[in-house]
Amino acid sequence: QQPVQSPQAVILREGEDAVINCSSSKALYSVHWYRQKHGEAPVFLMILLKGGEQKGHEKISASFNEKKQQSSLYLTASQLSYSGTYFCGTLAGTASKLTFGTGTRLQVTL
Amino acid sequence: EAGVVQSPRYKIIEKKQPVAFWCNPISGHNTLYWYLQNLGQGPELLIRYENEEAVDDSQLPKDRFSAERLKGVDSTLKIQPAELGDSAVYLCASSSGTGGYTGELFFGEGSRLTVL
Repeated sequence: QQPVQSPQAVILREGEDAVINCSSSKALYSVHWYRQKHGEAPVFLMILLKGGEQKGHEKISASFNEKKQQSSLYLTASQLSYSGTYFCGTLAGTASKLTFGTGTRLQVTL
Repeated sequence: EAGVVQSPRYKIIEKKQPVAFWCNPISGHNTLYWYLQNLGQGPELLIRYENEEAVDDSQLPKDRFSAERLKGVDSTLKIQPAELGDSAVYLCASSSGTGGYTGELFFGEGSRLTVL
């Protein structure tokens, strides 16, 4: 079943912070985050494993709450280059398939 | 190092015509994926190969879609005949290792299909 992302879209001014949430109705083994700019390939950001630590990638970090089956992506001091659509992908187990959410469209303006 | 290469980037065809997409994964990547991405949606898996073997093709509409990965390197995805609802972006991705989604997927830029 497809994970649910919120918000669907967000507009930020450069330097502002944002949080993107990803929720699943299933118990999760891992959560994967990707960013896709318009007309381009999705690009990997990070993977969070069950029982693992919060991850970070420059000013982008994420957490994984296994009990709530949720993950959140934190974008700090956003830059224009952060604009794009963010997808979470969830994995219920090592033998299952990666299922992507519908995406959160982020636009950073001057 | 070259990334995942897909061709063609764009294809416009009439309904009922056949179409084929080609993907060359990153050198040494054992696992290859074909995803379908509709406008405003996340990628949906069509088929996953580990080397030459299709290990997950449960989402591939086998009445009209077929795929092959001969010699465990590049792959072709075919649609015959195409329908209006097949208009979408077809993404190819690859990853190193086998046995599941344990690491980063490297995506190509996709082949955008328009069926008229």
